Amino acid sequence: KNEVEQSPQNLTAQEGEFITINCSYSVGISALHWLQQHPGGGIVSLFMLSSGKKKHGRLIATINIQEKHSSLHITASHPRDSAVYICAVRLDSWGKLQFGAGTQVVVTP
Amino acid sequence: DTEVTQTPKHLVMGMTNKKSLKCEQHMGHRAMYWYKQKAKKPPELMFVYSYEKLSINESVPSRFSPECPNSSLLNLHLHALQPEDSALYLCASSHSRPGRGFYGYTFGSGTRLTVV
Repeated sequence: KNEVEQSPQNLTAQEGEFITINCSYSVGISALHWLQQHPGGGIVSLFMLSSGKKKHGRLIATINIQEKHSSLHITASHPRDSAVYICAVRLDSWGKLQFGAGTQVVVTP
Repeated sequence: DTEVTQTPKHLVMGMTNKKSLKCEQHMGHRAMYWYKQKAKKPPELMFVYSYEKLSINESVPSRFSPECPNSSLLNLHLHALQPEDSALYLCASSHSRPGRGFYGYTFGSGTRLTVV
């Protein structure tokens, strides 16, 4: 069983819609990352969270340490937001990450 | 410079070839990582170098040989690979801070490897 669970696996939205991706984890962590990967491409780190909430442009990430849960929100979604979004938790001081399976997001015009 | 640069971007090699993947960063990060990613799967950790020393080897076959010649450079030497080793190979680096270990992550754009 993966210690990091993401939902949904796939998501299709129309341009302008509000999108939420959820991540639950079952282990103690020191930080949680939200990552973005476009088809065939490398990974971009969107956020690193250890508590609370962060915002960057149209992206908002929240984490609840007690409930072991994080969410990534995309406001006013755009076709260029189409990508795989991956939740990853940092387990130890080496920076080793445990990844969720990813959420494929497609935003249609 | 806030990037991790990987070369080459694409590589096709035969099963008897020897090749190397290169990863470079100039952010002063003291931890560097190699990940392997198969299609539609999350990345899998292969190796961790901290302060130029191999810290973690996730039971990777010996046909993959990492090398960290200095704090900015990480290589992955490939020899006698199998077709199932075809994947996207990602390099990453992270900060270090006393008492906090390594944190933050910057990924490279990857090398798409095809073994024929």
